[in-house]
Amino acid sequence: EAQVTQNPRYLITVTGKKLTVTCSQNMNHEYMSWYRQDPGLGLRQIYYSMNVEVTDKGDVPEGYKVSRKEKRNFPLILESPSPNQTSLYFCASSLSGRAYSGRASPLHFGNGTRLTVT
Amino acid sequence: AQKVTQAQTEISVVEKEDVTLDCVYETRDTTYYLFWYKQPPSGELVFLIRRNSFDEQNEISGRYSWNFQKSTSSFNFTITASQVVDSAVYFCALSESLNYGGSQGNLIFGKGTKLSVKP
Repeated sequence: EAQVTQNPRYLITVTGKKLTVTCSQNMNHEYMSWYRQDPGLGLRQIYYSMNVEVTDKGDVPEGYKVSRKEKRNFPLILESPSPNQTSLYFCASSLSGRAYSGRASPLHFGNGTRLTVT
Repeated sequence: AQKVTQAQTEISVVEKEDVTLDCVYETRDTTYYLFWYKQPPSGELVFLIRRNSFDEQNEISGRYSWNFQKSTSSFNFTITASQVVDSAVYFCALSESLNYGGSQGNLIFGKGTKLSVKP
């Protein structure tokens, strides 16, 4: 089954304790991205990756790191989490991050990771 | 800069009513792509539709229809004869083309409209 898998679904941690949220897709998608969703702010992009070893900042990258060593995986790393990073996080992938021949690929989303930093 | 505005934060209707969710966008690009996503109470995000800027034909899919008007930069979403299962947060999103060499492929989301359909 084609899917984007995020783990864990729920995570409670303390300020400063490094954590990683994993994301894996089995659709051979080139493009992967991380979003955070906060009440009243909608979805905001943290980082994205156009392909292996190609990553770039989104709108709210501060406090986050990513890596794309393999096509299928795109982990989100919080080196020193803070309470303002408490949020619902979504990983997403699409066939391509570029629009070719008048088509832009839709995003396939994971089920989300609810992170609480105390 | 690109921007998506969903002015309706929350809408509440009674089952079988028709409801329209508004989406207004801003972009410098002449070629761009518009999307609608649904987020039901279970939390996942589900792709509903994609529309190219050069195709202004409206689309209907069952009880769902989309009205794209370039002249007013709007891409509104109508649910006909709403059902309780339509209760969700709906997001409109914009993706620009490669013309300005900027954030290719990035989707800019609106803040979402929470739709509650009561029995």
